[in-house]
Amino acid sequence: DQQVKQNSPSLSVQEGRISILNCDYTNSMFDYFLWYKKYPAEGPTFLISISSIKDKNEDGRFTVFLNKSAKHLSLHIVPSQPGDSAVYFCAASASPQGGSEKLVFGKGTKLTVNP
Amino acid sequence: GAGVSQTPSNKVTEKGKYVELRCDPISGHTALYWYRQSLGQGPEFLIYFQGTGAADDSGLPNDRFFAVRPEGSVSTLKIQRTERGDSAVYLCASSSSQAETQYFGPGTRLLVL
Repeated sequence: DQQVKQNSPSLSVQEGRISILNCDYTNSMFDYFLWYKKYPAEGPTFLISISSIKDKNEDGRFTVFLNKSAKHLSLHIVPSQPGDSAVYFCAASASPQGGSEKLVFGKGTKLTVNP
Repeated sequence: GAGVSQTPSNKVTEKGKYVELRCDPISGHTALYWYRQSLGQGPEFLIYFQGTGAADDSGLPNDRFFAVRPEGSVSTLKIQRTERGDSAVYLCASSSSQAETQYFGPGTRLLVL
């Protein structure tokens, strides 16, 4: 049973426009959320994170929004650039109970930004 | 500085063989994680080390899988009697503590024929 869901396997946007990637979760114990970007044949690269005490975190062109009541988060990229084309993974973790911050990942959304 | 490194980058083996996958974490990182990513899926947690000890091995699929981190730095993931279903990308990540961001290596692509 998937605890983190990314329901859109792919997304295509035009350069300069906004990209919005969505993620839903089912486990109410999750309190920390991250987005990773992955290029082919490379490991995931950390992009941005948000704690459950916030509803928004911004870093340059990237903004993550968290809606705890809906158990939903989204990543906004604006303006989108061709170099942003990659697979984006949403991940979540629960506060350490015994010391582990293991991440639970969604299946990913492949973003293509067209020039 | 140097990131997380993993060796080999690719490994092809035959069903039933034993394999070892190595992870060198970022220098000074005390927490180390192993994940497995199958085709079309996101990474799945296998095991987590804090220092030399395995703090959480709940993700290991069965007793054919074992991991060690004897000196609190380099870790080795060991798979005995490999099966075709073990074919995947094995990812290692490290963080400065259990509460900090995890940084991933490039992965080892394991193919069991």
